[in-house]
Amino acid sequence: AQKVTQAQTEISVVEKEDVTLDCVYETRDTTYYLFWYKQPPSGELVFLIRRNSFDEQNEISGRYSWNFQKSTSSFNFTITASQVVDSAVYFCALSLEDQTGANNLFFGTGTRLTVIP
Amino acid sequence: EPEVTQTPSHQVTQMGQEVILRCVPISNHLYFYWYRQILGQKVEFLVSFYNNEISEKSEIFDDQFSVERPDGSNFTLKIRSTKLEDSAMYFCASKRDRGYEQYFGPGTRLTVT
Repeated sequence: AQKVTQAQTEISVVEKEDVTLDCVYETRDTTYYLFWYKQPPSGELVFLIRRNSFDEQNEISGRYSWNFQKSTSSFNFTITASQVVDSAVYFCALSLEDQTGANNLFFGTGTRLTVIP
Repeated sequence: EPEVTQTPSHQVTQMGQEVILRCVPISNHLYFYWYRQILGQKVEFLVSFYNNEISEKSEIFDDQFSVERPDGSNFTLKIRSTKLEDSAMYFCASKRDRGYEQYFGPGTRLTVT
């Protein structure tokens, strides 16, 4: 069975600090996709990144970076020089390849990040 | 930039009543989804829809739930007889094609009293 674990329930950092959000996943499938979504206080879910299981290259986008390691089944997310606008709940999610291509998402329980000014 | 839209933003209903939640997915997307999030909890998959039929549904999506794509733009979730435990935020999502990411609407908060 598939599972996504975000062990950090809540994290608080002071503005400009770096912060890493952890995500560990479980699946027996060899083809899968990993995602991060941001849920700000307004409640919507904002897509941040998608990674497929064959692409272990780390990615950087501005202040955001992602570290995908299949050896430890982890897909961690780092925010550099955090800002108050980064305050949100961050969800890691997993989808498996299926015949129809629908690939529904399995979400972790989320990490609430609070950036203190 | 195209967005997924949902109406209403908030729906209050009495237990046992039927509700229909509406979504307009992004126009060139082929896959459609409903998820729900009980307050303070994780987002849970309900159902996926592709090629005018249900692709997959979760255990939550029982006989009380149904989905429809009545025309080329709308995608609806119907709950036939609401229960208190159906109170949640319901998110619609769509994606362009196989292998792409899902984009979510702003959600409908359903409150069952």
